[in-house]
Amino acid sequence: DARVTQTPRHKVTEMGQEVTMRCQPILGHNTVFWYRQTMMQGLELLAYFRNRAPLDDSGMPKDRFSAEMPDATLATLKIQPSEPRDSAVYFCASGLGRGVNTEAFFGQGTRLTVV
Amino acid sequence: GEDVEQSLFLSVREGDSSVINCTYTDSSSTYLYWYKQEPGAGLQLLTYIFSNMDMKQDQRLTVLLNKKDKHLSLRIADTQTGDSAIYFCAESREGGSTLGRLYFGRGTQLTVWP
Repeated sequence: DARVTQTPRHKVTEMGQEVTMRCQPILGHNTVFWYRQTMMQGLELLAYFRNRAPLDDSGMPKDRFSAEMPDATLATLKIQPSEPRDSAVYFCASGLGRGVNTEAFFGQGTRLTVV
Repeated sequence: GEDVEQSLFLSVREGDSSVINCTYTDSSSTYLYWYKQEPGAGLQLLTYIFSNMDMKQDQRLTVLLNKKDKHLSLRIADTQTGDSAIYFCAESREGGSTLGRLYFGRGTQLTVWP
């Protein structure tokens, strides 16, 4: 059963600490997204990659956030230093860049709490 | 204003039909999607419609698209308590059959009463 896997599922950290969230896209998918969900803003796109190259990271605060794909099976989202306003659920999604099926498959999310 | 707008709440009785509405602003939308989110879970794609279609039916789900008015709706027939969730409308603007970023609405919380 192919699925997007995100780790950790929950993370509580103190303000100022570094946070790394990981995502394993579905094997064969070449498009990977990072979304953030909050009550205030809803679902916001932070960044997305195609064939491991970043296509759009305009939604990401550049001073503290970074997103990378070290290889095709791993995407990371790093926050350094973390702040309370970063508390949210972070979703990774993957899909095929082209084809009839344009579905984005979502992971279960990482719930981040910064205290 | 928001790119995609939805009402925030809908309550229905079990067995009734539910209709969730969505409006979007970009006329270049290519695909329009409905996602479902249950508590503590990720988003699950329910159905999608290509912008040159006006209706799509899939079992209990009917999607209607009025491209002129930029209005999308999701009808759930014979709504069950298990349908209680948040439903998100989303649009894609990429050309061709390309998966690009999705623009999401705020979500409609559907509550089904027994």
